[in-house]
Amino acid sequence: NAGVTQTPKFRILKIGQSMTLQCTQDMNHNYMYWYRQDPGMGLKLIYYSVGAGITDKGEVPNGYNVSRSTTEDFPLRLELAAPSQTSVYFCASSGLGAPPLYEQYFGPGTRLTVT
Amino acid sequence: AQSVTQLDSHVSVSEGTPVLLRCNYSSSYSPSLFWYVQHPNKGLQLLLKYTSAATLVKGINGFEAEFKKSETSFHLTKPSAHMSDAAEYFCVVTGSGNTGKLIFGQGTTLQVKP
Repeated sequence: NAGVTQTPKFRILKIGQSMTLQCTQDMNHNYMYWYRQDPGMGLKLIYYSVGAGITDKGEVPNGYNVSRSTTEDFPLRLELAAPSQTSVYFCASSGLGAPPLYEQYFGPGTRLTVT
Repeated sequence: AQSVTQLDSHVSVSEGTPVLLRCNYSSSYSPSLFWYVQHPNKGLQLLLKYTSAATLVKGINGFEAEFKKSETSFHLTKPSAHMSDAAEYFCVVTGSGNTGKLIFGQGTTLQVKP
C-alpha cells in the first residue's frame, strides 16, 4: 500500500501559467480532499469529493478546479497562477464508515511557488 | 459553526519534562476531535482521535488527550518529551455535514531542548 501519493514534490510557476497537481490513493477511499497550508497557518480546505463524479467547494476554492473521474485520482488544477497561490498543497483521503469517525490520510505535499 | 483555537503558537520544553499543548473548540453538535503531528517537510500523521467513546484518549508515541465538554477543551499531553517530538501539532475538529470535512487549528510548534 503506497497510501496517498502526490506529484510533483516541488514546482515553480510563473504568474499566469497553469498546472495540475496529481493525487492518487490506493486504499479504495471514497472521500478525497485538497488542502493548502500557508506559512504558520493550519490547513484550509480547497475542494473535496465524496465519490467518483462528485466534487464540492471547500473554504478557499477560488482559482482552482478539480475533477474526480475515478475513485483513485483527484487532480487539482490551477488556472492562471497568482503569487497568492504560493503554498504547500496536501491531498488527503478517508474511507467509508459512520461519520464523523473518518481518519484522513495525508500525502507528502507539493510545495508550489508562483513568481 | 465549528472552530478550533490552539492557545499557544509556540511551546518550548526541556527533554524529559512534560508537554502540554492546549486546544479549545467550538461546535454546534458533539464533534470528533483529532490531534495531528507534522514533522518538518513531511505530511500530517494522526496522533489520536476522540469519537465520543472514552474521554481520555491515548495515541501514538506516549501522547494522550482528554476531552472536557464542560470546558470545550481537548488538550494534548505527554509525560516526558523526547527530542523526536519536536514538530508542528494541529488540533482538528470535524466540520458540519457527513462529508468528513475537517477544521484545523493554526498549529503549535513544539520545541524540545536538550
